[in-house]
Formats: sequence, structure tokens, C-alpha cells
Amino acid sequence: DQQVKQNSPSLSVQEGRISILNCDYTNSMFDYFLWYKKYPAEGPTFLISISSIKDKNEDGRFTVFLNKSAKHLSLHIVPSQPGDSAVYFCASRAAGNKLTFGGGTRVLVKP
Amino acid sequence: DVKVTQSSRYLVKRTGEKVFLECVQDMDHENMFWYRQDPGLGLRLIYFSYDVKMKEKGDIPEGYSVSREKKERFSLILESASTNQTSMYLCASSFGGPKKNEQFFGPGTRLTVL
Repeated sequence: DQQVKQNSPSLSVQEGRISILNCDYTNSMFDYFLWYKKYPAEGPTFLISISSIKDKNEDGRFTVFLNKSAKHLSLHIVPSQPGDSAVYFCASRAAGNKLTFGGGTRVLVKP
Repeated sequence: DVKVTQSSRYLVKRTGEKVFLECVQDMDHENMFWYRQDPGLGLRLIYFSYDVKMKEKGDIPEGYSVSREKKERFSLILESASTNQTSMYLCASSFGGPKKNEQFFGPGTRLTVL
């Protein structure tokens, strides 16, 4: 039973527009959430994170929003650039150091 | 910069062979992890280790074992490889303790079992 779900396997967006990636979780014990970006033939790289005590965290073009009551987080990329084309994974942490990952969303940014 | 290296980028093995995947990190991280990545399933945790000689099962440990004899090295062992173990294998490491625990990943090993 997947505790972290990314319901959109793919997303296509025009360069310069906003990309919105969504992630839902079921475990109310998750207290820290991360987004990773993965290019083909490379390992995932950390992008941005948010603690459960916050509802928003911003880093340049990337903003993560957390809605604890809905057990939902989202990643906004504004403006989207062709180099953002990659697979994005959300991940959640409960007690300890384990992360639980979603299935990933493949983003294609068209020039 | 944190560096996590994996011994092979691509590996082809036959069913029944014993397979070793090696991972080394250079940041003195306490925690090390092995995941496999399959389309639509994301990253699934196989095993992890909080310290030398310590190991804990992840979500899908069946058919795998691990070894951590030194802090910087974490090995994944497929005792008898099977075709359903064809996958991308990713190693990661992180600091321990009550920190934010960002995990740093290696480039991955694409394993094909024939």
C-alpha cells in the first residue's frame, strides 16, 4: 500500500509557464517532506524540502506548499525552463531517517 | 561536495549468479541506503544501515542482503540473481541524528539479469 502517491505520471508544460506537481500521503506521522529531481542515467538530486510545521517554502523558482489537513503537498516551478525536464519524486519522512518515495512525475518543458 | 560512488554503471548477469553492488561515500555519513527504482513505482527501500555492522530491512528486502564493514562502504548482495531483480539500483547516504536527513544519491547501477 503506497503511503506516498504522485497521481500524475507525466506533465507537459510550455517554457515560461508554471509547472505544478502534486503529491498525496496517508501517514500522519510524516514530519518532513522533500522533492528530488532525477535526470536519466543520474541519481536523484535534492531540490527543496519543507517541515511539517510550515506550509510553504521557497527557493528561487521552486516553491513547495504543504496542506497537512489534506495530506497533500505540491511543487511549483515558475517559470519553467527546458532544463527542468526530468523526473520529480516527492519523499516523506516519519521517525528515524527513512524516506518513503512517490512513484515520480516526468516533466517535459517544451521550448 | 558530497560524493557517493557506485562500482558499476551497467551490469549484466545470468540467473542464479551471485551479484555484488558496491557503494562508497566520502562525507562520513552515518546512514546508508539501497533502493531500487522501477517505472511507476518510484524508489523502494531494500535495506539501510545506521552504523557500521548494523543493518535494517527496508520495504522489499527479499532476495537481497547487505554488508557494512566500514563506515564509508555499503554493499548490496543478490545471493542468486533472478530476472525480476532487473532494475536500477541506487545507493544513498545521509547524516544521522535528528537532522533534516537529506539523502545524497549515487549515479545508480542498471542491472540486467538474463
